Amino acid sequence: DVKVTQSSRYLVKRTGEKVFLECVQDMDHENMFWYRQDPGLGLRLIYFSYDVKMKEKGDIPEGYSVSREKKERFSLILESASTNQTSMYLCASSAGLNTEAFFGQGTRLTVV
Amino acid sequence: GENVGLHLPTLSVQEGDNSIINCAYSNSASDYFIWYKQESGKGPQFIIDIRSNMDKRQGQRVTVLLNKTVKHLSLQIAATQPGDSAVYFCADHYNKFYFGSGTKLNVKP
Repeated sequence: DVKVTQSSRYLVKRTGEKVFLECVQDMDHENMFWYRQDPGLGLRLIYFSYDVKMKEKGDIPEGYSVSREKKERFSLILESASTNQTSMYLCASSAGLNTEAFFGQGTRLTVV
Repeated sequence: GENVGLHLPTLSVQEGDNSIINCAYSNSASDYFIWYKQESGKGPQFIIDIRSNMDKRQGQRVTVLLNKTVKHLSLQIAATQPGDSAVYFCADHYNKFYFGSGTKLNVKP
């Protein structure tokens, strides 16, 4: 079975902290994505990666960075967490651009 | 980014009725679309896809229609059941996997 695993279901962090959200996929997929999901706004793409060490900005990259050192792992980094980054974060992977995406369970991050 | 939107944030239907969820997109070059279902507490999951060389595709109780002229697609669910209650997203997978804002389907018993 296809699996995308996010390291935490729930996280509470303080304003100004550096936050790492980890995502691992076991399908040898080329592409990996990070989205945030907020009520009424749907899924908004933060960053995606189409290969190891490659990354491309999505619609809302400000305040975030990413790291893809290994094919199976894609990390989202909040350099200095702020309260407006409180959200549900979803990681996804796909074999190619014209193929379905497989999602993790999501990480609900609260910044206080 | 690309504009992919859903027409209604919420849709309520009676159990047993058919449901129709609509979506519009802006990129005329888009050639691959997917409908996802997101149940509470879970990530979105694939339901059905359609490529631009088709205008209709059927699955089990679900049908997707694509109208390239007006850049519109719809998801039809036949004989809606309580287990269909979820948020439904259309996604444009042409380039960066853009998602619409979602329609929450409420199924009334």
